Amino acid sequence: EPEVTQTPSHQVTQMGQEVILRCVPISNHLYFYWYRQILGQKVEFLVSFYNNEISEKSEIFDDQFSVERPDGSNFTLKIRSTKLEDSAMYFCASSGGGGITEAFFGQGTRLTVV
Amino acid sequence: AQSVTQLGSHVSVSEGALVLLRCNYSSSVPPYLFWYVQYPNQGLQLLLKYTSAATLVKGINGFEAEFKKSETSFHLTKPSAHMSDAAEYFCAVTSSNTGKLIFGQGTTLQVKP
Repeated sequence: EPEVTQTPSHQVTQMGQEVILRCVPISNHLYFYWYRQILGQKVEFLVSFYNNEISEKSEIFDDQFSVERPDGSNFTLKIRSTKLEDSAMYFCASSGGGGITEAFFGQGTRLTVV
Repeated sequence: AQSVTQLGSHVSVSEGALVLLRCNYSSSVPPYLFWYVQYPNQGLQLLLKYTSAATLVKGINGFEAEFKKSETSFHLTKPSAHMSDAAEYFCAVTSSNTGKLIFGQGTTLQVKP
C-alpha cells in the first residue's frame, strides 16, 4: 500500500541551526501538507502546497519556515534558525485532491532543539 | 473560523465495552469532519469522514460516527472495544479548498482486559 515516508524519524539540533525535514509523498498525489504537534498539545496545521506553490499557511508558518518540492518526489520543510519552541513532532501529509479528499500522513519526525 | 473540541483527553474502557469518544465542532460554514487514529510510533490514519452525505458514517475497524448538526457533534463509537483499539484518536474539521485540517486535542483510549 502506498505510504508517506518521512526522514529522519528523530532529529536533534542546536538552537540557531538550520534543519531540513524530508518527506516523500504518495506518488500521484497533488496536495502536500506539514503539521506539527508540540508535546501534550494538539496537531496544528502549518502549510499546504499545491501546484508548486503555497496554497495556505498558518500564523505559525513565519519567515523562519519554508517549503520546497525540489524534484518530483520529495517535499521538504526547512526551519532556518531553530528555536527551543520549535521542538515538536512534524507530520507530512499528502492527498490526491484538496477539500474533503483523505490526507495520508507520514509517521512524523521528532525534532528536538537543545 | 473553525474549531474542534474533544471532551476527555483520556478515556478508559474494558475490553468488550462500548467506546464513546466525544467531538464537538464550531464552523460558520458546512463542515467536513474526520476521525483519525494514531497508534504508537505511527502516523495518523483515517478512520472515517463525514462529507454531507449520510449522517451516520461507518469507518474501519468497526467504528462509526454520527453527525448531529443541532448538537454540533460528531461523536465516535464502537459497540465492543478490543485491546488493539488502544491508541490516540483525533477529530478534525475542514471546509477549506486546500484540505487544511483543524484538529481537536486528541483523546487517548485505554482498553483494559
